[in-house]
Amino acid sequence: QQQVKQSPQSLIVQKGGISIINCAYENTAFDYFPWYQQFPGKGPALLIAIRPDVSEKKEGRFTISFNKSAKQFSLHIMDSQPGDSATYFCAASSGATNKLIFGTGTLLAVQP
Amino acid sequence: EPEVTQTPSHQVTQMGQEVILRCVPISNHLYFYWYRQILGQKVEFLVSFYNNEISEKSEIFDDQFSVERPDGSNFTLKIRSTKLEDSAMYFCASSAFRTVNTGELFFGEGSRLTVL
Repeated sequence: QQQVKQSPQSLIVQKGGISIINCAYENTAFDYFPWYQQFPGKGPALLIAIRPDVSEKKEGRFTISFNKSAKQFSLHIMDSQPGDSATYFCAASSGATNKLIFGTGTLLAVQP
Repeated sequence: EPEVTQTPSHQVTQMGQEVILRCVPISNHLYFYWYRQILGQKVEFLVSFYNNEISEKSEIFDDQFSVERPDGSNFTLKIRSTKLEDSAMYFCASSAFRTVNTGELFFGEGSRLTVL
């Protein structure tokens, strides 16, 4: 029940296309859903996050869509650029804890 | 921009040896964490630390692991007797807030541990 399932494992998108990464969870106590971006040799860095009281959050080209009833959330990267090539992790946490539960990661390659 | 720094960037050790990984969290942060990432797998929580005490730990964080804040700036992870399965990238993280859902968690670049 503590797991966060992430798909796909890898994704190739053409420059200018839309990248979509999906995550699903089971623990209804989760109330915070961040996405982290990790470049090779670097630590994960917070990209964007959402709480379950909203269904969508947009920051620039990055959008999180959240479906509370389905217990799913997804990251959409519009107008994908080669510089977006990285590993993306979804994560979840609950207010009662100070730990993040990470998904398995998606390796995104944006081809020029 | 303030950042979390970790040393060493890569350490190779023999099975059974003790290893200490060091971290300097962001200076005004009070909450400290260690996570690990086995090659090609997800990032896993190990332990959180506040006010010189462990706040929470995972099943992975057994008696072979310990954490310490020996002075006002460093935060260390010690593995007492390393096993092959301890080979991973270890990330230190820090936050100004008690719970991750109230503030950003900042990660260091990681320390790669290879146990032979």
